[in-house]
Amino acid sequence: SQQGEEDPQALSIQEGENATMNCSYKTSINNLQWYRQNSGRGLVHLILIRSNEREKHSGRLRVTLDTSKKSSSLLITASRAADTASYFCATDRGGSGGSNYKLTFGKGTLLTVNP
Amino acid sequence: DTAVSQTPKYLVTQMGNDKSIKCEQNLGHDTMYWYKQDSKKFLKIMFSYNNKELIINETVPNRFSPKSPDKAHLNLHINSLELGDSAVYFCASSQDGGWDSRNIFGQGTRLTVV
Repeated sequence: SQQGEEDPQALSIQEGENATMNCSYKTSINNLQWYRQNSGRGLVHLILIRSNEREKHSGRLRVTLDTSKKSSSLLITASRAADTASYFCATDRGGSGGSNYKLTFGKGTLLTVNP
Repeated sequence: DTAVSQTPKYLVTQMGNDKSIKCEQNLGHDTMYWYKQDSKKFLKIMFSYNNKELIINETVPNRFSPKSPDKAHLNLHINSLELGDSAVYFCASSQDGGWDSRNIFGQGTRLTVV
């Protein structure tokens, strides 16, 4: 089963609007992370929220985590054309000894912000 | 200064060839990774190394062999390339595999097998 599934798969909005993307996962986690990928580029880490946190802010980004529902949301406020990218959530389930862990990525949400 | 750099950026090669992709990080991180992103943008971990030691091998064909000469480098060697190996390969690193698992990614290597 796939850990970390985002919805919607694609989202198109106008500049200035808010964009909300959701992520669901299946197993318990240590933390959940959001990444952005511009076309043809590497992923850029945006924000990390730990399993004992419920909400986190970073600039125009707001992330929530509901471990009872195994879901997270990423809100981008006052969107800009430069926010156009794919957004991925990734779950860290941890492992024994702290080093035997991996990030499991979802398939991403393609956000298009129209000027 | 590039934090995680991988070379080459593009690689076009014929089926059956052997090729290598190099990765270096200058962040002093302990853990390095290789990911494969397919044509549908699905990103999947292949390997992770912690201080030159293989930690994770995600059922990758043994044609793929990672090599870590030191903790700042993790190279990926691929033997007998197949059409299905065409993808974008990302190297990444993190401070450690536990408390701070934020991955810093390289820019990717687009491998095309013809």
